[in-house]
Parts: sequence; C-alpha cells; structure tokens
Amino acid sequence: AQSVTQLGSHVSVSEGALVLLRCNYSSSVPPYLFWYVQYPNQGLQLLLKYTTGATLVKGINGFEAEFKKSETSFHLTKPSAHMSDAAEYFCAVSETAGKLIFGQGTTLQVKP
Amino acid sequence: DAGVIQSPRHEVTEMGQEVTLRCKPISGHDYLFWYRQTMMRGLELLIYFNNNVPIDDSGMPEDRFSAKMPNASFSTLKIQPSEPRDSAVYFCASSQQGARVNEQFFGPGTRLTVL
Repeated sequence: AQSVTQLGSHVSVSEGALVLLRCNYSSSVPPYLFWYVQYPNQGLQLLLKYTTGATLVKGINGFEAEFKKSETSFHLTKPSAHMSDAAEYFCAVSETAGKLIFGQGTTLQVKP
Repeated sequence: DAGVIQSPRHEVTEMGQEVTLRCKPISGHDYLFWYRQTMMRGLELLIYFNNNVPIDDSGMPEDRFSAKMPNASFSTLKIQPSEPRDSAVYFCASSQQGARVNEQFFGPGTRLTVL
C-alpha cells in the first residue's frame, strides 16, 4: 500500500525566508505526487503535481517541488515566504486512478 | 464558473439524529469524492463515485454512513444515527476523467457538530 509522510506538523518561517516542507512517500509503482493547500475555513486546492517527465515541477504562487526517486521524496519549496502563504499543506500520492492518499498535513506559519 | 457546492456549511445536531450532507460537483466532472477531516485522523477518503457509480467505499466507517449519487449533479452523505465522534468537517470533491482525474476540486466543506 502506498503512504505519505510529512515531516513536521508545524513549520514557522519569517516573511521573506525560504519555505521547505518535507514529504516522503512509499509506493511500489511509479508514483503520481501532489501538493494541495488549505487556507483557513476552506477546502483544499491543488498547488502542483508530478506525473511523468521533468522532476522539478512548478505550481501556483511561486511554489515548486522536486521529485527525487532515489530519496522517495517530493519536498515543496518557495524561495521567499509571504504572509499570504500561511496555510496547511498536504502532500498526496495517487494509489489508483482517482484515489489519493494524503499525508497528515503541515501547518505553515509566516512571521512578520 | 461555480465550484463544488456543499450544503449546509454548518450543522449542529444531537446524538441519534439523522444528518444529510449535500454536494453538487462541478459540471462535467465524472468523479465525486467524500472526505472527512479531523484533528486526530487527518483527511480520510470515505467513498468515491465514477459516473454516479460507487467505486470504493472502503473508507466508510460503519453502517451508519451511507452515500448516494442519483445523478451527475448531486450526491448525499447520510449519517443515521449520528454520534459525537462523527463531529468533523466533511468535504466533497470532484474531478474529470482521464489524465486529470487526480486534480480534485474541493468544496468549502460542511462542519458537523454532534452534541
């Protein structure tokens, strides 16, 4: 069975600092990987995805993630945090078509 | 375009009562998903449909939970009887067939409180 582990349930950064949210996955087949973001009192929205091809993928709001097969990782980064980035971030792996397995989530706090 | 619509947004009920949550997926989407989110268990997939047919209901916690999708534009999640441990935020999501099946669009959620 596939699984996702997000390291760190809370991450705090200063505005303008690098954002790094960690995600490791377990999969017996080539994975499809996703990052979703959830703002307070809202549903999740897709930030970016990796399916095949280029291992560095870019998403909305300046975020990007790199698929590293050797490390079974798909970490999310943003060079400079903005106050509006404060939210909960979920890494997910596709188990079968349509079925996503989500990690436990990482809450990102951005300090002024 | 309207996104996924869920109603009600908030529901407070007493233990033992029946609760019905409603969802209207994005027009043209073929997949519909029901999730439950709690602090303790995170985000759990309860059931999902493809073309109105339930595909996987292995996440439905017990027989008190049931879901239906009578047509392409409407789905319900029913809890009968409700219990305090059912208190959670319930999300509905939808997606297209094919390569974009995992690009799920989530509704705003229904916050359920069972007293």
